[in-house]
Amino acid sequence: GESVGLHLPTLSVQEGDNSIINCAYSNSASDYFIWYKQESGKGPQFIIDIRSNMDKRQGQRVTVLLNKTVKHLSLQIAATQPGDSAVYFCAEKPSTSGTYKYIFGTGTRLKVLA
Amino acid sequence: GAVVSQHPSWVICKSGTSVKIECRSLDFQATTMFWYRQFPKQSLMLMATSNEGSKATYEQGVEKDKFLINHASLTLSTLTVTSAHPEDSSFYICSARSWTPEFNYEQYFGPGTRLTVT
Repeated sequence: GESVGLHLPTLSVQEGDNSIINCAYSNSASDYFIWYKQESGKGPQFIIDIRSNMDKRQGQRVTVLLNKTVKHLSLQIAATQPGDSAVYFCAEKPSTSGTYKYIFGTGTRLKVLA
Repeated sequence: GAVVSQHPSWVICKSGTSVKIECRSLDFQATTMFWYRQFPKQSLMLMATSNEGSKATYEQGVEKDKFLINHASLTLSTLTVTSAHPEDSSFYICSARSWTPEFNYEQYFGPGTRLTVT
């Protein structure tokens, strides 16, 4: 059956403002990190990734920051738009994973307010 | 490029029956495919890793006899939920691993299949 009583953390942001979504990852041996966007009823959509030998990577309107000291990953979205409303997941790939499997974080729901 | 499809997108089946979900990489070859399960308002949980031509590797707690995975070709993997029960109702998502020059770990995800067992 389905679990009840679980709620994703929600970040509400005014349209046009910047959004920062945070993620604490679990494995200090992880060497690759990815942010995904998931809209309701759809599969995850790749946003941006970063390797462990970097601390910042920029894409179009998005920036990922990696702090390996505290095992923290963040996704910054500039000039947030209504279309950015979705659930965002971070994922890590442990370097010991010979099969390249990912471990997903719990997710954050982003709500963009008009 | 790098499109992954799933079929069906949603399925309703009766308790005790089996249902097969297909995952296809449309424009690339996928030596590895992954199957995930997602309950409402929860994250994706990896069920198994499927390599073409070999047996799938299941995560701890996932019954391999209940969730049969076949990866017969470089573009197709199937997940069969056998003797389905209402607690198997979930959103099943597959992904396929692609090689890219700079980042060789990227997985491309399918749109998911909503399974409802009545």
